[in-house]
Amino acid sequence: TQLLEQSPQFLSIQEGENLTVYCNSSSVFSSLQWYRQEPGEGPVLLVTVVTGGEVKKLKRLTFQFGDARKDSSLHITAAQTGDTGLYLCAGTSYENAGGTSYGKLTFGQGTILTVHP
Amino acid sequence: DAEITQSPRHKITETGRQVTLACHQTWNHNNMFWYRQDLGHGLRLIHYSYGVQDTNKGEVSDGYSVSRSNTEDLPLTLESAASSQTSVYFCASSDRASGRTHNEQFFGPGTRLTVL
Repeated sequence: TQLLEQSPQFLSIQEGENLTVYCNSSSVFSSLQWYRQEPGEGPVLLVTVVTGGEVKKLKRLTFQFGDARKDSSLHITAAQTGDTGLYLCAGTSYENAGGTSYGKLTFGQGTILTVHP
Repeated sequence: DAEITQSPRHKITETGRQVTLACHQTWNHNNMFWYRQDLGHGLRLIHYSYGVQDTNKGEVSDGYSVSRSNTEDLPLTLESAASSQTSVYFCASSDRASGRTHNEQFFGPGTRLTVL
């Protein structure tokens, strides 16, 4: 069974501060995704990282995939109150059947981020 | 616009009753998934389907069943509801993996189930 350890579980910061969320595993994943979830809603995809060492930027958010494709990080610069929410990392693994690949996700426990004004 | 919907959004039931949660997607995705979300556990996979008539057990499948009779729907049934099944349930769908896609999943809004 593949596991993803996400840390920290809770993060409470002031507006303008920087923060980093970590996602670690002993398993290699084909790709890794980051989702953001707001109360009462389902998770929404932020980004997918595929290549070891890959860095992607989405405005103030920077996502990095580890060289060995076992870990990832999300860094937010100058956090805003609108960044408040639950952040989830998820690793993709594939099953092969009949020549077709079928993917499924393993999720980390999530990080609840609260940004105070 | 394509979407994925879940019903009901809230459900209260009693221990021992059978409950069915509906999930409907108009993305025309082959893959559909059911998760439960509990604090400290993230999202845990209950059942999933890679196409019509295909169903597979996830990591927490005991007490749950699914059936896939068409592309759009994957209802989740709790055979005999237990208090341990009180949770928020999310349905998701994804396109078949290809060189362009990496199993990105689209989620419904969730169903909050309380078993008394």
